[in-house]
Amino acid sequence: EPEVTQTPSHQVTQMGQEVILRCVPISNHLYFYWYRQILGQKVEFLVSFYNNEISEKSEIFDDQFSVERPDGSNFTLKIRSTKLEDSAMYFCASSEPSGRVEETQYFGPGTRLLVL
Amino acid sequence: KQEVTQIPAALSVPEGENLVLNCSFTDSAIYNLQWFRQDPGKGLTSLLLIQSSQREQTSGRLNASLDKSSGRSTLYIAASQPGDSATYLCAVYMDSNYQLIWGAGTKLIIKP
Repeated sequence: EPEVTQTPSHQVTQMGQEVILRCVPISNHLYFYWYRQILGQKVEFLVSFYNNEISEKSEIFDDQFSVERPDGSNFTLKIRSTKLEDSAMYFCASSEPSGRVEETQYFGPGTRLLVL
Repeated sequence: KQEVTQIPAALSVPEGENLVLNCSFTDSAIYNLQWFRQDPGKGLTSLLLIQSSQREQTSGRLNASLDKSSGRSTLYIAASQPGDSATYLCAVYMDSNYQLIWGAGTKLIIKP
């Protein structure tokens, strides 16, 4: 069964460093998403991406964040200068090939980011 | 601003019992509501998706209902098993900003 994959599973970085989190969505999906979950808190929407551009973004997704689909398979989240409060589990998701926004989102296993 | 609340925050029941998890939301302008399962340290698995025009969805031992006008959804788990132990999250997809808004989850423990 097709699945969303994410790398790395864990990443530790120093405050101020840039990190790139990678995701491979399900191959025929058209919508891509990033979410984060700070330990013990709710899952929060960061950004959605469709047709090679950002569709929606939350207040969390400030200038320190960017997303890119560098090729036909990868979808990346870059944090330019990490802060302590960026420590969280980051989830990538993709949704069905119909492209309708209300379709089920399929989630990857997450990348746990720890900023020291 | 949409707020999603899940009650109870934690639930522990003996194996075999039927149980109900609750989810409420403040803004009824939703496209759909989804129930997810999260295992410790792992990703999110979609269990059921109910469109805003639907009243319920069933998958195996799971049944989810939606009362959009009252801002409520329930997830019914029949004949619970230890393998059902996980955190169950509900999330609503807003038609105003195309975002999934999440509840904090119900941590479920099924005792053998």
